[in-house]
Amino acid sequence: AQRVTQPEKLLSVFKGAPVELKCNYSYSGSPELFWYVQYSRQRLQLLLRHISRESIKGFTADLNKGETSFHLKKPFAQEEDSAMYYCALSSGGYQKVTFGTGTKLQVIP
Amino acid sequence: KAGVTQTPRYLIKTRGQQVTLSCSPISGHRSVSWYQQTPGQGLQFLFEYFSETQRNKGNFPGRFSGRQFSNSRSEMNVSTLELGDSALYLCASSLSGGDAGEAFFGQGTRLTVV
Repeated sequence: AQRVTQPEKLLSVFKGAPVELKCNYSYSGSPELFWYVQYSRQRLQLLLRHISRESIKGFTADLNKGETSFHLKKPFAQEEDSAMYYCALSSGGYQKVTFGTGTKLQVIP
Repeated sequence: KAGVTQTPRYLIKTRGQQVTLSCSPISGHRSVSWYQQTPGQGLQFLFEYFSETQRNKGNFPGRFSGRQFSNSRSEMNVSTLELGDSALYLCASSLSGGDAGEAFFGQGTRLTVV
C-alpha cells in the first residue's frame, strides 16, 4: 500500500528564514511525487512535481529514493507563503493519488 | 476556461439522511476524482471515474457512492449520514486521470451533519 507522511501539522517560521516541509512516503515501486498548496479561501492547486525538477515561487523539492523523502524547501520564507501544503504520491498510470495529512505553514512577519 | 464547479457549496443535513453532491469538470476533462478533507485526516481519496466507469476506489464504506454521466459531470452520494461524515468534499478533474499533476480542484462542498 502507498502512504504519505507529513509529520508536522504546523510549521511556524519567521519571514526570511529557511523553510523545510517534510514528506516521507512508502511505496515499493517508482512513485510520482507532488506538492500541492492551498492558500486561504482558495482552491487546492499543484505547486510542483518531482519529474519536472522545477522551482516554483522559490520552492524546490528533491526526491530522495534512499530515504523515501520528498521534502519541500525554500531558502527565504515570505509572508505570502503562509498556506496549507500537501504532499502527494501517485504510482503512475491510472492509479489513485494518495495525499498526506498536510502541513500548515505560518510565516511570521 | 471555466474551472471545476461543485454544487452546492454548503449543506446541512441530519443524521440518517442522504445527500448528493455534484461536480462539473473542466471542459474536455474525462476523469473526475472525489476526496474527503477533514482537519484530522487530511485528504482522503474516495473514488475516481473515467468515461462513466469507476476506475479506482478508496477505503470508504458502501454508503459512499458515485457516478459519472456521459458529459463527464459526476455526482457523489452519501446515504444514512453519520456525524463523522461532516467534511469538505473536493472534486478534481483531469484529462485522463492518474497523474495528479494534471488535476484541477473545485472549491468543495462543505457538508455538516447534525
